[in-house]
Amino acid sequence: DGGITQSPKYLFRKEGQNVTLSCEQNLNHDAMYWYRQDPGQGLRLIYYSQIVNDFQKGDIAEGYSVSREKKESFPLTVTSAQKNPTAFYLCASSMQGTERIQFFGPGTRLTVL
Amino acid sequence: SQKIEQNSEALNIQEGKTATLTCNYTNYSPAYLQWYRQDPGRGPVFLLLIRENEKEKRKERLKVTFDTTLKQSLFHITASQPADSATYLCALLSGGYQKVTFGTGTKLKVIP
Repeated sequence: DGGITQSPKYLFRKEGQNVTLSCEQNLNHDAMYWYRQDPGQGLRLIYYSQIVNDFQKGDIAEGYSVSREKKESFPLTVTSAQKNPTAFYLCASSMQGTERIQFFGPGTRLTVL
Repeated sequence: SQKIEQNSEALNIQEGKTATLTCNYTNYSPAYLQWYRQDPGRGPVFLLLIRENEKEKRKERLKVTFDTTLKQSLFHITASQPADSATYLCALLSGGYQKVTFGTGTKLKVIP
């Protein structure tokens, strides 16, 4: 089955620790995205990548980093510089082109203690 | 500044009625507008896309309208069912068709 996987579903970390969230897709999509969702705030774009070895900052990139070494994978690192990292993180992918319909993974809920 | 607004208050309707959700935007000139459904604790799922030159789009019990003059899209679910209860998000393309910007979503509850 084609789709996007994110792991783990729940993640707990101590304050000050970096943590990496996994995102893998087998849809053969070129573009991948990371969003953060907080209650009542909708989805906010963290980073996106149009192609392997290239990525751009979204609206709230501070305190986050990404890499895109393979087409299928777009891991997100939440660094200790992120002031309020507790949130629901969603990865998505889309085909290139003008419509950019987003296919989402199941999400990772990160709680920083 | 660019803004996408959806009713932040939950919408409660009786089963069988038509639910109408609103998406308003400012300082955008979107070529496409998308609607997604999100269930609690899960990722959004794409429902419908409407282009700027389309006034209306239908899919089964769903209907979307797009008024670029009013800068508004309406999302209708006819003959609503309790299984339609979810949060519905509208989204616009921006940034040279590279980024999708989401509204905050409207939570719909269909009461049996």
